[in-house]
This record gives sequence, structure tokens and C-alpha cells, in this order.
Amino acid sequence: EDQVTQSPEALRLQEGESSSLNCSYTVSGLRGLFWYRQDPGKGPEFLFTLYSAGEEKEKERLKATLTKKESFLHITAPKPEDSATYLCSTGANFNKFYFGSGTKLNVKP
Amino acid sequence: NAGVTQTPKFQVLKTGQSMTLQCAQDMNHNSMYWYRQDPGMGLRLIYYSASEGTTDKGEVPNGYNVSRLNKREFSLRLESAAPSQTSVYFCASSPEAGGANEKLFFGSGTQLSVL
Repeated sequence: EDQVTQSPEALRLQEGESSSLNCSYTVSGLRGLFWYRQDPGKGPEFLFTLYSAGEEKEKERLKATLTKKESFLHITAPKPEDSATYLCSTGANFNKFYFGSGTKLNVKP
Repeated sequence: NAGVTQTPKFQVLKTGQSMTLQCAQDMNHNSMYWYRQDPGMGLRLIYYSASEGTTDKGEVPNGYNVSRLNKREFSLRLESAAPSQTSVYFCASSPEAGGANEKLFFGSGTQLSVL
């Protein structure tokens, strides 16, 4: 069964304290690994797509990496404005995207 | 830039009532999707439409129907609402399926409560 699991469910960091979020997946015919950011009361907003093991992408304080079984979202020196829920999604089976339940990140000043 | 527009933003229904959630996108995207988001369960796909004139079931289609009215609009209908359908509903669109630009653009959501 296709499945996407994110950990931890919640993460509290002090401003400047770097950490990583994990997304593990068991999806047949993986067609991309996607990261989204979701702010309270809003729809998810696209961050990155990764297609092959070893691929990395960066945007400001965020860096996403991909292996054959998992992806990591590394947050370097986070700021309070990075507080949000981060969602991982896989593309598989034409047009179907499977989402994890997300990691709620809270960065304290 | 409007992007993906959903209406209404909030709705309260009584069990057994019906309603239609509206979604429109102005990005000329081919694919459109309806998801529901429940605490601890992430986003689950209800129905999707790969292109105008086609619709397919997702993970949790029971109790819902959809209509792809044209390339811009994709509506979700609850024929007889049940408390289990209390959720936040998101519409999304994608420029192409399986291509390099494949990613989802989401609306701001509809918070639905069924009493």
C-alpha cells in the first residue's frame, strides 16, 4: 500500500537552532517527491520537487534532500517566520498525490 | 493574481442537507483536484480531473460527486451530508500531469461542519 509518513509530528525550535524534518515513503512508481508549506487557515504552498536519489534543492534557510526511501527538509538557523506546517507528498499512479500528515514547526524568538 | 478560488470559505450544514463547493482556477491548468484535510490524517484525495471532460475517484470518494464544468471550474457536491464529512476541503490545480512542472496550486479552503 502506498504510504507517506512524516516525523516528528511537531517540532519546537529556538530561533537559530537548526534541525531536520523527515518524510519516508513506500510508493510504487514514484514520480516525484514534493514539499509544501502550510500556514494556519491557508492552503499548502509549493516549496520543492525532487525526482531522483541524491538530488538536493535549496530556498533561503530550507534545503530538501532525497534518498531512495526518504526525504529530509533541513532548516538552517530558522526564524519565527518559518513557523508553519510542512507537508510532504509523493506523485505516483498517474495524477494521484499522496500526502503525509505533516510536521508542525514552531520557532520561538 | 487570483490563482485557485474556492467558495464558500465556511459552511455549516445539518445532517442530510446537500451543498456544492465551487472551485475555479485562472491559470489555464489541465488537472484539478479535491482534497479533504482532517487533523492527524493529512490531505486525502477525494476526486480529481486530469483534463476537461474527465473525472476519477481518489482515496475517499464515497458520499461525494464532482463535475468538471469546463477547464476553469471543478465543483464538489455533497448529496446528503454526514457528520463524518466535517472537514476542511481544498481544491487544487496542476499545469500538467507527469511533467516537469507538475505541482499543486491550492485554494484557501472551505471549512465545513455537519451537525
